[in-house]
Amino acid sequence: GQSLEQPSEVTAVEGAIVQINCTYQTSGFYGLSWYQQHDGGAPTFLSYNALDGLEETGRFSSFLSRSDSYGYLLLQELQMKDSASYFCAVRAITGGGNKLTFGTGTQLKVEL
Amino acid sequence: DTAVSQTPKYLVTQMGNDKSIKCEQNLGHDTMYWYKQDSKKFLKIMFSYNNKELIINETVPNRFSPKSPDKAHLNLHINSLELGDSAVYFCASSQESTRVKETQYFGPGTRLLVL
Repeated sequence: GQSLEQPSEVTAVEGAIVQINCTYQTSGFYGLSWYQQHDGGAPTFLSYNALDGLEETGRFSSFLSRSDSYGYLLLQELQMKDSASYFCAVRAITGGGNKLTFGTGTQLKVEL
Repeated sequence: DTAVSQTPKYLVTQMGNDKSIKCEQNLGHDTMYWYKQDSKKFLKIMFSYNNKELIINETVPNRFSPKSPDKAHLNLHINSLELGDSAVYFCASSQESTRVKETQYFGPGTRLLVL
C-alpha cells in the first residue's frame, strides 16, 4: 500500500517562511504533488515534482528527494490568505492503476 | 464558466434513501474522478474514469455506482445511504495524455449529510 506523513498543524507569522514536510512510502512512485484547500473550498493544485530538486512558482516552492522518499512545500512571504490545509499527494502506478494518494493534510495558520 | 461543476452542493437525506450526485467538466479532459473527504479532511479516491472507461475502483461498497455517459460527465449514485456516508464528495478531472496530467481540477464539492 501507500502511506504519506505530514505534520497535522503548523503556525507561522505573516511575512515569515514556512516549510511543510512530507515523507512517503510507496511502490511505483511517479511523482509528488501539493494541493491547497481553504476551509469549505475545493483542493487546488499548487505544484508537482517528478524529478529530484526544487520547483519554484512565485512564493511557493516544492522540493523532492526520490532517494529519501521525502518532499517539502516552502511558502515564503506568508500572507493571511495562505491559512489553509496543504496536502501532499503521491502519484504511483500500482495494481490498482495510476492514481493519486493524498496525505492527511497540514493545517497552516498564519498569524499577525 | 465553472471548469468542474457538481450538483447539488448540499444534500441532506435520511438513512436508507438513494441519491445521485452529478459532475460535469468543460475542460475537455479525458479523465474524471470521485473523491470522498471525511470530517478529518482525509481525501480518498473512490473511482476514476478515462474516456468513459472505469480504470480505478477502490475498495468502495457496491452501494456506490459511478456512471460516465460521456467524457464530460461522471455521476455518482448511492443506494441505501448510511450514516457513515456523510462526507464531502469531490469530483475532479485531468488530462492524462499530456504533461500537465498531474494537475487535477476539483469541483466545489457536494456536502452529504445522512440523518
